[in-house]
Amino acid sequence: DQQVKQNSPSLSVQEGRISILNCDYTNSMFDYFLWYKKYPAEGPTFLISISSIKDKNEDGRFTVFLNKSAKHLSLHIVPSQPGDSAVYFCAASAGTASKLTFGTGTRLQVTL
Amino acid sequence: GAGVSQSPSNKVTEKGKDVELRCDPISGHTALYWYRQSLGQGLEFLIYFQGNSAPDKSGLPSDRFSAERTGGSVSTLTIQRTQQEDSAVYLCASSPLLGTTTGELFFGEGSRLTVL
Repeated sequence: DQQVKQNSPSLSVQEGRISILNCDYTNSMFDYFLWYKKYPAEGPTFLISISSIKDKNEDGRFTVFLNKSAKHLSLHIVPSQPGDSAVYFCAASAGTASKLTFGTGTRLQVTL
Repeated sequence: GAGVSQSPSNKVTEKGKDVELRCDPISGHTALYWYRQSLGQGLEFLIYFQGNSAPDKSGLPSDRFSAERTGGSVSTLTIQRTQQEDSAVYLCASSPLLGTTTGELFFGEGSRLTVL
């Protein structure tokens, strides 16, 4: 039972354009959402998070949008840079004092 | 080092052998998590520790898997009688509290296990 779903296994975007990575969840108890970025042979690193009391959180080039009614969140990266090429994992928890449930990841490739 | 340290980074073993994977969390982090990532899959939760106790072992795939944590620090994940489907990258993560205000986990680089 995949409670957090990333339906696009890969995405290719030109440098300078916007990257949009999507994530859907099924568990209505989830109230905290995070994005992690993973380079090959490294552990995932935290990128940005959002609480369910918000619908948008922005940090530099990265913005996360949350649509609770649709149980959908997205990560926008603008402008995309070659160094953004990595696998991006969406994660969710029911309260911050809880384990994270991860999606299967989306591999982003930013081309020159 | 300042980060989460895992060893070995790579382990190749024969089917049926036991393996131990070690995790050294960031000093002072009370919560410790084990996840694994199989080829083409997401991060699958295995177990977490709050201090030395494991309130949630629900992700351990079978009774061949066990984990312990001593001194509120180092944790060992043991897989007995390994099977080929155990092949994966085993990731350890720690956080300062059981859930922080950001919910952020700090991951190690993982231990890649290959069972022949």
